Amino acid sequence: DAGITQSPRHKVTETGTPVTLRCHQTENHRYMYWYRQDPGHGLRLIHYSYGVKDTDKGEVSDGYSVSRSKTEDFLLTLESATSSQTSVYFCAIRQGAPTDTQYFGPGTRLTVL
Amino acid sequence: TQLLEQSPQFLSIQEGENLTVYCNSSSVFSSLQWYRQEPGEGPVLLVTVVTGGEVKKLKRLTFQFGDARKDSSLHITAAQPGDTGLYLCAGARGSNYKLTFGKGTLLTVNP
Repeated sequence: DAGITQSPRHKVTETGTPVTLRCHQTENHRYMYWYRQDPGHGLRLIHYSYGVKDTDKGEVSDGYSVSRSKTEDFLLTLESATSSQTSVYFCAIRQGAPTDTQYFGPGTRLTVL
Repeated sequence: TQLLEQSPQFLSIQEGENLTVYCNSSSVFSSLQWYRQEPGEGPVLLVTVVTGGEVKKLKRLTFQFGDARKDSSLHITAAQPGDTGLYLCAGARGSNYKLTFGKGTLLTVNP
């Protein structure tokens, strides 16, 4: 258990509405990640952070933005949700050298109607 | 381009059978992780392998990292229904602190 929580755990929203998902960690890890998991695609990286206010894009970043104003919280925002963003979203932290192992949160299931 | 190919995609076996899941790539990885995921939960780390040729055992699970650090395998001996789940491999490459994931192997062990 890497002390990662995600909120909310489930959310149903309508197309066009903004949505923010929160990832919270208690162990002061520098690197945090947001993934989405879809059938047939596996886990795909959306955005990641390598420190407070330091973020970068992953392979599927279009339509998403992130913010990290303090070490323990990493927020993922869908500015205007679309049905294609219906997915399960996972947050992860990187344990560090030399293994680059990542530990995952419990996930948020998001449905966009 | 899928950098990590996992096979098989689906596997349904009877309790007590042995099985092997493969994770292959043309790229070299500095480390490789195996995760197990149950429905409604996040992936849980099983093992990390770092050295080419490394073999790690976790009870009935044996993990091997290829000599060239391009491939890995997971072998389960005498599978049990509790082994049912999605098995994911993920590779890290040097100073790029991002993981490349395979698409997973969905294992069902029938009683």
